Amino acid sequence: DTGVSQNPRHKITKRGQNVTFRCDPISEHNRLYWYRQTLGQGPEFLTYFQNEAQLEKSRLLSDRFSAERPKGSFSTLEIQRTEQGDSAMYLCASSLDSGSPLHFGNGTRLTVT
Amino acid sequence: AQSVTQLGSHVSVSEGALVLLRCNYSSSVPPYLFWYVQYPNQGLQLLLKYTTGATLVKGINGFEAEFKKSETSFHLTKPSAHMSDAAEYFCASTGGQGNLIFGKGTKLSVKP
Repeated sequence: DTGVSQNPRHKITKRGQNVTFRCDPISEHNRLYWYRQTLGQGPEFLTYFQNEAQLEKSRLLSDRFSAERPKGSFSTLEIQRTEQGDSAMYLCASSLDSGSPLHFGNGTRLTVT
Repeated sequence: AQSVTQLGSHVSVSEGALVLLRCNYSSSVPPYLFWYVQYPNQGLQLLLKYTTGATLVKGINGFEAEFKKSETSFHLTKPSAHMSDAAEYFCASTGGQGNLIFGKGTKLSVKP
């Protein structure tokens, strides 16, 4: 168990640019989640996958956000035309099934200038 | 809608003192409940969880929490604080389909 891995750890981008983050979950975990965390707040749910199927998306996930998990293993989260309000820590988590605890990665901190 | 409320965004205790971090949830069905800890610039680490059965659950690092259905609470306690306990603590409840709903967090400071 190598844990959940996220890359990059930090990303600084200019407003209007596109960014993509990657998450590698724990290998036997079927579920993969994306959360966003801003300063002074708890993590806010964005979306989750059961294997390769994206089963739920939060209202927070605007049309500029897209997530994929093409082979049911790693996942990517893309933000198009970034805005300053997108600056946050993006957390990925995985779990074995719906009742199991989530295991979190160390996150990708996005700064939009 | 389900929600989690953590009372007190910042709690300060002396080393060796009791730690009590409060969490209340709202849910139409019995939820699964979790406490996570987050150190600066890191992800969240599971401290303990309640699913079913015994309402007093023990976790790592000497923490425990008690599920009280009548009070819709799941407060986190530790008898004696250690300097290394200084971190941010998040209470969470299962949402509709297995995703977690988090409280806003409580930052714990431990004074020597």
